[in-house]
Amino acid sequence: GAVVSQHPSWVICKSGTSVKIECRSLDFQATTMFWYRQFPKQSLMLMATSNEGSKATYEQGVEKDKFLINHASLTLSTLTVTSAHPEDSSFYICSAPARGVRTNEKLFFGSGTQLSVL
Amino acid sequence: AQKITQTQPGMFVQEKEAVTLDCTYDTSDPSYGLFWYKQPSSGEMIFLIYQGSYDQQNATEGRYSLNFQKARKSANLVISASQLGDSAMYFCAMREELIQGAQKLVFGQGTRLTINP
Repeated sequence: GAVVSQHPSWVICKSGTSVKIECRSLDFQATTMFWYRQFPKQSLMLMATSNEGSKATYEQGVEKDKFLINHASLTLSTLTVTSAHPEDSSFYICSAPARGVRTNEKLFFGSGTQLSVL
Repeated sequence: AQKITQTQPGMFVQEKEAVTLDCTYDTSDPSYGLFWYKQPSSGEMIFLIYQGSYDQQNATEGRYSLNFQKARKSANLVISASQLGDSAMYFCAMREELIQGAQKLVFGQGTRLTINP
């Protein structure tokens, strides 16, 4: 089945540094990928929609300059948390839809990245 | 605007019993999809079951079934013969269709299910 690879699985960084998270679709092309953030014991909140070859679409309240999204190819989307601060500590998870009569029913999720900013 | 509501923050069930996790939704779109995902402590999102708004029958996937009541806008997940490994967070989600057909999901608050031996 379709697989989405996300890494790193966890990262600890100092306040003020930038962190890049990668999301790859391994056996299918994803023109669109979604980035979610999940705080402890809370639901997944959509941050932005990543579109291959064009600008990402950000949800209301998400800072574009802080969360840089690049969808450079049909299999890779990256989320960069710039100048990270402790309040950015969270679980970040990407997902990608797979096309097809059956697979269109599903989104495939990466395994997530736990970011801890000291 | 769409809205997904899960009213049970936590559920405790004895092993081998059946459990129903509640989910109600609100949408004005005639075409939508409803999903249930399981999230164990590792964080990964595991797809369980899908129900399309035009599907005539309730979806079933092994021990999982979805009690879809369209008029009441509810999509409850039923897990039969629960197992210890079913302990996890469960999220109900609704698909919001984008212009290009890509699916954007809106998630409910989640229900933490604990199976007791």
